[in-house]
Amino acid sequence: AQKITQTQPGMFVQEKEAVTLDCTYDTSDPSYGLFWYKQPSSGEMIFLIYQGSYDQQNATEGRYSLNFQKARKSANLVISASQLGDSAMYFCAMREAQTGANNLFFGTGTRLTVIP
Amino acid sequence: DGGITQSPKYLFRKEGQNVTLSCEQNLNHDAMYWYRQDPGQGLRLIYYSQIVNDFQKGDIAEGYSVSREKKESFPLTVTSAQKNPTAFYLCASSIQPSGRAGEQFFGPGTRLTVL
Repeated sequence: AQKITQTQPGMFVQEKEAVTLDCTYDTSDPSYGLFWYKQPSSGEMIFLIYQGSYDQQNATEGRYSLNFQKARKSANLVISASQLGDSAMYFCAMREAQTGANNLFFGTGTRLTVIP
Repeated sequence: DGGITQSPKYLFRKEGQNVTLSCEQNLNHDAMYWYRQDPGQGLRLIYYSQIVNDFQKGDIAEGYSVSREKKESFPLTVTSAQKNPTAFYLCASSIQPSGRAGEQFFGPGTRLTVL
């Protein structure tokens, strides 16, 4: 079974609007972390936001927020007030504490296009 | 400036040749990682190292080898045994995991093409 599932291969959003990128995960480990990364066309991976499984509140980082629904095992990324520079690939990733290492499992990504 | 460097940015290899991808970090991170990314796909873990002189296989280690003789360096060798090596390779590093502190920092990547 896939540990991270991103069901939206591509998304479009109008500039200045908000957009939600979906991510569901599968783990039996009670202690885990969820990450979102942005990958522009240049290729580097840019960290956006982190949510721990025991965090009581949804994570926020500027225009990025994470809609964490633990019972549904979903960790959707919300980008508010989209900008043209937000056009990129977005990856959801998970780290499980039981592995004892900091390995990340990545989803297949969502390509976001911001329309002027 | 602290960061991760990878070289070369583009690499071309003939079939049957071994090639080595460089990864250097000056972030004083203990852990380093190598990922492979194929078009339209997420990242898959090749090898990782949590400490100098120690490394572990990831999900797709066959046909690859690594070394970790220095904390700052984690080179990846793509051997001739790797049947389909054309891909984008990303190196990352992190401190030992603890909440967000386990965030991995990535290099700019190396695009390897087999001719």
